[in-house]
Amino acid sequence: EDQVTQSPEALRLQEGESSSLNCSYTVSGLRGLFWYRQDPGKGPEFLFTLYSAGEEKEKERLKATLTKKESFLHITAPKPEDSATYLCAFLMDSNYQLIWGAGTKLIIKP
Amino acid sequence: EAGVAQSPRYKIIEKRQSVAFWCNPISGHATLYWYQQILGQGPKLLIQFQNNGVVDDSQLPKDRFSAERLKGVDSTLKIQPAKLEDSAVYLCASSLWGAEAFFGQGTRLTVV
Repeated sequence: EDQVTQSPEALRLQEGESSSLNCSYTVSGLRGLFWYRQDPGKGPEFLFTLYSAGEEKEKERLKATLTKKESFLHITAPKPEDSATYLCAFLMDSNYQLIWGAGTKLIIKP
Repeated sequence: EAGVAQSPRYKIIEKRQSVAFWCNPISGHATLYWYQQILGQGPKLLIQFQNNGVVDDSQLPKDRFSAERLKGVDSTLKIQPAKLEDSAVYLCASSLWGAEAFFGQGTRLTVV
């Protein structure tokens, strides 16, 4: 069964404390991997697309990487405004369906 | 570029009543999704359209939920009759075929 697991469920960091969020998958026929940020009361906001193992994308303090079994979202020197839930989703090659993880709630304390 | 528009933003109804949500996708996006999101969980796909055809509706509770996408643009999602467990945020998203999806703000439904 195609599955996506995000860990940890929640992560509390001090401002400036770097860390990584994990998105592991057992999916056959991966076309792409997406990372989203979701703030309370809002729809998910698109961050990155990764298509192949070894690919990396960066945006401000965030860097996303992809291997054959998992993806990481690295956050460097985070600020309180980076607090949000981060979701990953896999796009299936066979039918272009999105398989979603449950998200990691990130809290950055000043 | 205008984003995905959804309305209403909030809705409170009593159980057994009916409710409808509207979505206007990004211009040119052939793929349209309706998701249900319960607090603390990832989005759950209800239905996926490609133009005005249904790609996947396997998780849509068809005894009470229905959706249509007229002329391959706007879409409506209806619940009739609503149950308490339908309380959630309903998200609409659109994309080019096989590309990243862009979301609207969602409709928060409370069934009392």
